[in-house]
Amino acid sequence: SQQGEEDPQALSIQEGENATMNCSYKTSINNLQWYRQNSGRGLVHLILIRSNEREKHSGRLRVTLDTSKKSSSLLITASRAADTASYFCATVLYSSGGYQKVTFGIGTKLQVIP
Amino acid sequence: DTEVTQTPKHLVMGMTNKKSLKCEQHMGHRAMYWYKQKAKKPPELMFVYSYEKLSINESVPSRFSPECPNSSLLNLHLHALQPEDSALYLCASSQEPDSNYGYTFGSGTRLTVV
Repeated sequence: SQQGEEDPQALSIQEGENATMNCSYKTSINNLQWYRQNSGRGLVHLILIRSNEREKHSGRLRVTLDTSKKSSSLLITASRAADTASYFCATVLYSSGGYQKVTFGIGTKLQVIP
Repeated sequence: DTEVTQTPKHLVMGMTNKKSLKCEQHMGHRAMYWYKQKAKKPPELMFVYSYEKLSINESVPSRFSPECPNSSLLNLHLHALQPEDSALYLCASSQEPDSNYGYTFGSGTRLTVV
């Protein structure tokens, strides 16, 4: 079952602009991750934010997490044509059996126009 | 080696065929996963192996049979599939079942059932 819902589902921006994608989820989580997927390829892990963290940076990426609102955002600054891809948030919940269950949202399709 | 390798990259099979998908990683990761992704949809979890033991089966039909021969290998045996099983099958691994480091994904096997 899907947990995260990304907003917007599609985003088109000019190269150099910033891109913001949002993710909402429904249940408690242990951490939240963002992945990128180029068309028809595997997913690439971008960044992970733990449930006790509020903001995290990695290069041109900035992720925020608001557990009270059950939402997260991914900001890509100074976008490049190579950033064109689908972006998925994934919520992670540890089970009592010691394993993690990762559930992906529906994704945001980002197009960066050169 | 920081990759998850999946073979074959593409597979076309008939509904009466038996085939296998293979996944390999040499990062010492102790959890491995099979995901199924339909076009324009997020990945959906199928199976989780933790320390070579099946720990999650997301109510997947028996025509899909996973196997973990050792800590580096994960197979998905396919038998009597239906055309609706056509999808991108993704393998992933993580350091530990409850890892805080995200997944490493393979590039996937594009499966077409005719």
